[in-house]
Amino acid sequence: AQTVTQSQPEMSVQEAETVTLSCTYDTSESNYYLFWYKQPPSRQMILVIRQEAYKQQNATENRFSVNFQKAAKSFSLKISDSQLGDTAMYFCAFILPGANSKLTFGKGITLSVRP
Amino acid sequence: NAGVTQTPKFRILKIGQSMTLQCTQDMNHNYMYWYRQDPGMGLKLIYYSVGAGITDKGEVPNGYNVSRSTTEDFPLRLELAAPSQTSVYFCASSYLTQTQYFGPGTRLLVL
Repeated sequence: AQTVTQSQPEMSVQEAETVTLSCTYDTSESNYYLFWYKQPPSRQMILVIRQEAYKQQNATENRFSVNFQKAAKSFSLKISDSQLGDTAMYFCAFILPGANSKLTFGKGITLSVRP
Repeated sequence: NAGVTQTPKFRILKIGQSMTLQCTQDMNHNYMYWYRQDPGMGLKLIYYSVGAGITDKGEVPNGYNVSRSTTEDFPLRLELAAPSQTSVYFCASSYLTQTQYFGPGTRLLVL
């Protein structure tokens, strides 16, 4: 079974600075997808970024980028130029391709951006 | 595109009552999912569907039922509500098993 671990329960960062959120996962498969979802106080689950395991290039979406280390099974999220609106809970998630595959979530990390 | 919509946004139920949480998506996604999120926790899969007429259990299906008569709709039925079902419920959809897009959630309180 696949597992996703987010070992930091919470982090804090000053506005305009950079922060990195950690995530590790465990799987014996070589092809899979990884995601970071953001959940602000409104509770909406918002997709931040997605990475396909077969792609060596790290995904980037504006101020958000990942450091995908396949051999180490690590998938960290870097947020540059942090903004107050980045304050949220962040979930790392994993899914295998194919029918009947389930999205496995980590427990999440609470990020607070200080003004 | 409205994406994934859920109704109601919030509901209070008495123990033993029943209700249906509605979920609709307009992205023509074949896969749909129901999750619950307990306070301070990640999401747990209740049921999912790979297409109209096909549903299957997830991690925590007890106390719930689903049906999928159309591509767009995937209602979740709670029978005999219990305090343990107090949670936030999310519906999601995806094309095949790729990126899942979530609805805004339904907050349910069972007293």
